[in-house]
Amino acid sequence: GAVVSQHPSRVICKSGTSVKIECRSLDFQATTMFWYRQFPKKSLMLMATSNEGSKATYEQGVEKDKFLINHASLTLSTLTVTSAHPEDSSFYICSARGLTLQDEQFFGPGTRLTVL
Amino acid sequence: GIQVEQSPPDLILQEGANSTLRCNFSDSVNNLQWFHQNPWGQLINLFYIPSGTKQNGRLSATTVATERYSLLYISSSQTTDSGVYFCAVRHERDYKLSFGAGTTVTVRA
Repeated sequence: GAVVSQHPSRVICKSGTSVKIECRSLDFQATTMFWYRQFPKKSLMLMATSNEGSKATYEQGVEKDKFLINHASLTLSTLTVTSAHPEDSSFYICSARGLTLQDEQFFGPGTRLTVL
Repeated sequence: GIQVEQSPPDLILQEGANSTLRCNFSDSVNNLQWFHQNPWGQLINLFYIPSGTKQNGRLSATTVATERYSLLYISSSQTTDSGVYFCAVRHERDYKLSFGAGTTVTVRA
């Protein structure tokens, strides 16, 4: 199967700082990337969808100025949590889909963000 | 939006037992995937199965699209099968996967 990586896997930051999370498709070109958030013992909640070279589409209730998404190339998308606060602490997971992969979506290993 | 219901919510198995997980969905789909989320949070693709039957080792899955359900079978379960199993579907006219709440499987030695 296709491989998606995320970096960092874990980050702890102080309240008010910004944190950037990288998502890369390692062996395919990701025409579409997705960012999810998962709370403990809960399912995945889609935050936004991005297509390479286009602005991201955010789900209802997700602050686009708080969660900045950039999909600058076919293998890289970034999520920046700006002015992070403790309530932003969560598990963030990226996912990617590519033209050569039919319709299947592959997921990164996730990033655990803790805001103190 | 499309509704996805998974059952049972929790499943405790003795090593070696077989089990069936179910996923019901409320509308027509053109994508259905089963995932296993391991204890470290990684979602592992098990099956891409919008219709039909597939098998991979001890796991198999069947989707009956006309009746809007999918089943995941685990045979001869092992402790490494423990984790959360998610079903996710995409409506024919949508761009995103909708996830079920998951089934938490615990396999005891």
